[in-house]
Amino acid sequence: EVRLVESGGGLVQPGGSLRLSCAASGFTFNTENMNWVRQAPGKGLEWLSYIGKTGEIIFYADSVKGRFIVSRDNVKNSLYLQMNSLRAEDTALYYCARGYGAAWLYDWGQGTLVTVSS
Amino acid sequence: VVTQEPSVTVSPGGTVTLTCGSSTATVTSSHYCYWLQQKPGQAPRTLIYDTSKKFSWTPARFTGSLLGGKAALTLSGAQPEDEADYYCFLSYSSSSNWVFGGGTRLTVL
Repeated sequence: EVRLVESGGGLVQPGGSLRLSCAASGFTFNTENMNWVRQAPGKGLEWLSYIGKTGEIIFYADSVKGRFIVSRDNVKNSLYLQMNSLRAEDTALYYCARGYGAAWLYDWGQGTLVTVSS
Repeated sequence: VVTQEPSVTVSPGGTVTLTCGSSTATVTSSHYCYWLQQKPGQAPRTLIYDTSKKFSWTPARFTGSLLGGKAALTLSGAQPEDEADYYCFLSYSSSSNWVFGGGTRLTVL
């Protein structure tokens, strides 16, 4: 069974940092591309970042470019999102999503909630 | 900006088409449009990728296409369980950017 389990969310002050993790199991992690997507409370989905299977190809949305860093550890079967200089508008449920073949968004985790507030 | 109808209502058993437009260009196959379904309190579920391709879990009543310069998701024979938010997702590969539409709330009533 494929599982994507996000963790690391929580309450952080504006300007602070947080590192999210996505633990993957049930598939060969190092053969699949991964994405981070978030959803602010009561709002729509926002694509944040893509990382290729080897970690060499990375893309970011303009809204997080320069503040967020995506990485992966193919030995630990884990995806990460380092979030710096956090703002109130970064408050959201953060999902990791697995690609499969030609499909970028194939499986989804259940998300981890990040709240940026003083 | 990726545009979707904010809300649409369909009768049970009816047919409805949701659309996904781009403010910068006609939507084509090069946008590799995805369609996702999200029910309250649940993670999204991807139904369609690459404009019209389905996954094993995609009900046959959902069809993706290009229609009049937009991407379209047609639901034929709506069921009560299809009531959800639907998001499209477009690739703008020339700028290495990928964008979700604002979503359409589909009511089956």
